[in-house]
Amino acid sequence: EVQLVESGGGLVKPGGSLRLSCAASGFTFSNAWMSWVRQAPGKGLEWVGRIKSKTDGGTTDYAAPVKGRFTISRDDSKNTLYLQMNSLKTEDTAVYYCTTVTLSDGIWSSSRFQHWGQGTLVTVSS
Amino acid sequence: DIQMTQSPSTLSASVGDRVTITCRASQSISSWLAWYQQKPGKAPKLLIYKASSLESGVPSRFSGSGSGTEFTLTISSLQPDDFATYYCQHHGTFGQGTKVEIK
Repeated sequence: EVQLVESGGGLVKPGGSLRLSCAASGFTFSNAWMSWVRQAPGKGLEWVGRIKSKTDGGTTDYAAPVKGRFTISRDDSKNTLYLQMNSLKTEDTAVYYCTTVTLSDGIWSSSRFQHWGQGTLVTVSS
Repeated sequence: DIQMTQSPSTLSASVGDRVTITCRASQSISSWLAWYQQKPGKAPKLLIYKASSLESGVPSRFSGSGSGTEFTLTISSLQPDDFATYYCQHHGTFGQGTKVEIK
């Protein structure tokens, strides 16, 4: 059974930093593309970014609102995904979900977020 | 960037009703569309991918159709467990969501 367990959320002041972790099990993590998706309180879903598997290059891509401030990384030896968040703003307040990315025909346009963690809440407030 | 627009934003329905939610893309996305269900306080759940393929374990009352720019999610006979918010998704873009509530 696929399990994704996020941790590291909490209260942080504007301008601060936080690192989220996502512990994965039940599948071959090193072969997986992974994403972070967030949801502000009472709002819809917003894609944050994704990281390819190392065999596919290990590259990252980010949504415009977080580009240059957030960094996604992975440690395949620990089956763990990370989200380093710097220069946090109040509008970054959200539940952050770790997801697996499944592709059809190997193309990003076909991607779907197949498995989700339970989420971790990040609150940015003074 | 491609925009995804869902309608309606809220839908009131009764158990047993046939329910249809529409998702429109600002340009053609072929059949690369997924649908998710989210209940309050829970993570989203993948229902449909590639516009019409049912994810494993999802009840057959859920179906998806469409291609190009217009897509639909249909629940053939609404069940009590189906009252939730539904999102469409293409690439890194989600629709704004459709809340299905009890009439």
